[in-house]
Amino acid sequence: AQTVTQSQPEMSVQEAETVTLSCTYDTSENNYYLFWYKQPPSRQMILVIRQEAYKQQNATENRFSVNFQKAAKSFSLKISDSQLGDTAMYFCAFMAHMDSNYQLIWGAGTKLIIKP
Amino acid sequence: DAGVIQSPRHEVTEMGQEVTLRCKPISGHDYLFWYRQTMMRGLELLIYFNNNVPIDDSGMPEDRFSAKMPNASFSTLKIQPSEPRDSAVYFCASSLGGFNSPLHFGNGTRLTVT
Repeated sequence: AQTVTQSQPEMSVQEAETVTLSCTYDTSENNYYLFWYKQPPSRQMILVIRQEAYKQQNATENRFSVNFQKAAKSFSLKISDSQLGDTAMYFCAFMAHMDSNYQLIWGAGTKLIIKP
Repeated sequence: DAGVIQSPRHEVTEMGQEVTLRCKPISGHDYLFWYRQTMMRGLELLIYFNNNVPIDDSGMPEDRFSAKMPNASFSTLKIQPSEPRDSAVYFCASSLGGFNSPLHFGNGTRLTVT
């Protein structure tokens, strides 16, 4: 069974600091995608960044970057120069096509608080 | 693009009443998903459609829940009769399809059953 684990229920950092959120997953699939979603207090789920498993280069989107370690099945999210607006729940998700089905497995989330 | 549109944003109803949640996916998206989010259980996939056809409804909690997608631009999730334990935020999401396509979420419907 595929699983996604976010081991940090909650984190807090000072504004402008760098923070890393961890995510590990378990799968026997070789081809898959990984995503980080953000859910601010407004509750809408927003895609932050995605990574294709067959690409070695780590994805980056402005202040957001990932550290993808395929062998270790690790997919951490780094937020540089954190801003108050980054305060949100962050969800890691794994997606693959398995058994003729579209499987998207979610982690439990990490609550990130950016302090002024 | 207006994004995924859900209505209502909030719904408060009494136990035993029928509740209908609505979703308009992004135009051109072939996949539509219904999720439920609670503090206890996190995000749960209830059902998803491909080209208006239900593909996997194994997450639908029980017969009280039903979902339809009569056309490519509209889907409903119905709960009849509703119970207090159905209280949650219900999200609709759509995607272009394929496992490399990210989901685009609506703003969700917060359902409270008293």
